[in-house]
Amino acid sequence: GQSLEQPSEVTAVEGAIVQINCTYQTSGFYGLSWYQQHDGGAPTFLSYNALDGLEETGRFSSFLSRSDSYGYLLLQELQMKDSASYFCAVRMRNRDDKIIFGKGTRLHILP
Amino acid sequence: NAGVTQTPKFQVLKTGQSMTLQCAQDMNHEYMSWYRQDPGMGLRLIHYSVGAGITDQGEVPNGYNVSRSTTEDFPLRLLSAAPSQTSVYFCASSYSGTSNSDEQFFGPGTRLTVL
Repeated sequence: GQSLEQPSEVTAVEGAIVQINCTYQTSGFYGLSWYQQHDGGAPTFLSYNALDGLEETGRFSSFLSRSDSYGYLLLQELQMKDSASYFCAVRMRNRDDKIIFGKGTRLHILP
Repeated sequence: NAGVTQTPKFQVLKTGQSMTLQCAQDMNHEYMSWYRQDPGMGLRLIHYSVGAGITDQGEVPNGYNVSRSTTEDFPLRLLSAAPSQTSVYFCASSYSGTSNSDEQFFGPGTRLTVL
């Protein structure tokens, strides 16, 4: 079957760097996406890796390695407002474009 | 652009009642989907659609129906509400997988309680 695995929780200190990993048991997808969700809010799109390698968007970077079935989201210069849940997701290429999500990683930031 | 809109924002139902959650988008997206999210949990796919007239089941379709008569609208129908359907429901839309962007746009959610 298809699945995306993420750690359930990660804790880091304000100003530090944190990496949230996503490993997957699926193939034939377009790319790996990351979303952020604050408590009580809707998920919002952060980044997308169509190709292997690193994509950088300000303080956030995302990485994909298809050969290792692995990706990660890197958050730098952590701010308290980064406290949220982060989800990885893939769109299946051969399953009518179905998009599946990981269960999410809750990021706790300590002052 | 209004983006993705959902109505209602909150709803309380009694067991056995039926209702329709509305979702509309004005971005001409081919792909639309419904998710439910339970407290502290991830997003579980209920139903999705790759275009008008085409729908398919996700991970948790039982108890829900959908239709896609237009590109813009993708309503979700609860046939006979059960307490297990108490959840937050999100509608989302995006371009198809053939585009270079895989961004999904989410509506604000509907918070449903079934008593």
